[in-house]
Amino acid sequence: LAKTTQPISMDSYEGQEVNITCSHNNIATNDYITWYQQFPSQGPRFIIQGYKTKVTNEVASLFIPADRKSSTLSLPRVSLSDTAVYYCLVGNTGGFKTIFGAGTRLFVKA
Amino acid sequence: SAVISQKPSRDICQRGTSLTIQCQVDSQVTMMFWYRQQPGQSLTLIATANQGSEATYESGFVIDKFPISRPNLTFSTLTVSNMSPEDSSIYLCSVEAGMNTEAFFGQGTRLTVV
Repeated sequence: LAKTTQPISMDSYEGQEVNITCSHNNIATNDYITWYQQFPSQGPRFIIQGYKTKVTNEVASLFIPADRKSSTLSLPRVSLSDTAVYYCLVGNTGGFKTIFGAGTRLFVKA
Repeated sequence: SAVISQKPSRDICQRGTSLTIQCQVDSQVTMMFWYRQQPGQSLTLIATANQGSEATYESGFVIDKFPISRPNLTFSTLTVSNMSPEDSSIYLCSVEAGMNTEAFFGQGTRLTVV
């Protein structure tokens, strides 16, 4: 399973776009990139998953360059309720254990 | 998707005792996973619970301390045995829906050992 590196923490203000970048230099050919969000006292929640280029859903966008050695989670117009820890994971999920890195603690201020 | 129910949601236990945490899924899944999350830390995988065979433990976790049962495809239990204050953590159950899909997590069990 590929190791990931992401910033420990980030601060933002309401209404701003937040981009969290994750490095995964040892990503394998069949690995997917998945992001989870965790609020205090809750289990992690799936945000988005991608393999290459760009993926967008109602919550976020995920940008993956051609070499796939990094990825960027983009949260448009964050609100106070987006304050959470965001985890980047790389692996071939489905029957494989999901291994969590340290995560990025995002704090959104008013 | 999968809905996971964990019981209890929290407990305060005396050192030296044991606590069994239950995890119920609303659909059949092949693998279930147990994690520990210490205060302010990320999640650490304890073991994979396999139906019909013994659980597979990660480095640093042993069956005597964290026995796991998996009697069927929708249920698993994790027991934290002979507890000490260092076992105070949140314990989470997780399942994966299939190949290259998301993992689903329970709300967790907040354990405090005094």
